[in-house]
Formats: sequence, structure tokens, C-alpha cells
Amino acid sequence: TQLLEQSPQFLSIQEGENLTVYCNSSSVFSSLQWYRQEPGEGPVLLVTVVTGGEVKKLKRLTFQFGDARKDSSLHITAAQPGDTGLYLCAGGPKLHSNYQLIWGAGTKLIIKP
Amino acid sequence: GAGVSQSPRYKVAKRGQDVALRCDPISGHVSLFWYQQALGQGPEFLTYFQNEAQLDKSGLPSDRFFAERPEGSVSTLKIQRTQQEDSAVYLCASSFGTGPHEQYFGPGTRLTVT
Repeated sequence: TQLLEQSPQFLSIQEGENLTVYCNSSSVFSSLQWYRQEPGEGPVLLVTVVTGGEVKKLKRLTFQFGDARKDSSLHITAAQPGDTGLYLCAGGPKLHSNYQLIWGAGTKLIIKP
Repeated sequence: GAGVSQSPRYKVAKRGQDVALRCDPISGHVSLFWYQQALGQGPEFLTYFQNEAQLDKSGLPSDRFFAERPEGSVSTLKIQRTQQEDSAVYLCASSFGTGPHEQYFGPGTRLTVT
């Protein structure tokens, strides 16, 4: 069974601190996507990584795909209250499917002013 | 509109009632997904359409759940004889291609069954 485990499940920190959240699997994925979801809204795509070892930066957010394409991390520098949300990773495709993603359960992040 | 829209945003149904949830995907998007999401959890796959064809309904929890996309654009998820365990947020997502591409989500419909 393909699983994506996200850690921590919940993180509450002060504005200005740095943090890293993780997305781990024993399975290899051809691509991995990170989404952020705010209360009452659907997930919004942040980034897609496809190459082992790839690093992508989006302002204060740095995404890394593991060399073996089994894991990924999201690092936020100088977190701000606007970063608050549920961060979801999704790997694709699911075995025997060319369209379905495997979703993690998410990391709920709260940034306190 | 430019994004995926869903209606209604909120629905309260009495147990045993039928409900219909609508999704308007981004124009031209071939793929359409329905998900169920519990509070604070990731989306759980329900069903997948490629144009008007329902290629996968393996995630539908029971035969009370039915989805259609008759003209390959708007989709409806119908739940018959709703039960309390059906209470959740139902998300619709569309994507341009047929692979594991980036998915664009609607805001969801929060269904509460009383």
C-alpha cells in the first residue's frame, strides 16, 4: 500500500521563527506536489517537484524532493501569520493508475503574531 | 469564472434526504475528481472523470453515492438517503491533462447531516 506520512501533524510557532515539515514514503513517486489549504477553502497548489534532489524556492518557502523520490520537505523561513494553514503533500501517480494522487493527512500550521 | 466553483457552499440535510452537489470545473480541463475531506485531514478520493467518462469510482463509499458528468464539463455528486457519517466537506478538482497533473480545487461543499 502506498502511503505518504506527514510530520508533524500539528505545529504552532511564533512569527519570525523557521520551520520544516516533512512528507515521507517507502514508495517512489514520479512527482510530488505541495498544497496549502485555508479554512473554508480548497487546497491551492504551491509547487510540483519531479526530479530527485530538486530544490524549488517560492519566496520564503523552500521545497526539496529527496534523491530517491520517496520523500520531500518544506522549509519556511521567518514564518508569518499568513502562512497559517493545512499543508498537504500529494505524490503521483498511484500504482496501477496514471491519474490518481496519493495524499498525506497534512500538517496543520499556526503562526502566532 | 477562472477557477473551479462548487455549489452550494453549505448544505444541511436531514438524515434520509437526497442531496446533489454541483461542480463547475475550469473550462477545457479534461480531468475531474471528487474528494471527501474530514476536518483536518487530507482529501480522500471518491471518483474520477475523463471528459464525460467515469473511469474510476472505487472511492465511492456506498451505492448511495452517484456521480455524473454528462457533457464532459459540469459534474454532480448525488448522495441518496443521507446518513450522519456522510457529513464532511466534498471537494471537486479539475486538471488539464489525464496524468497526475496539478489539480485545481473548488472551495468545497460542507455537508452536515442531522
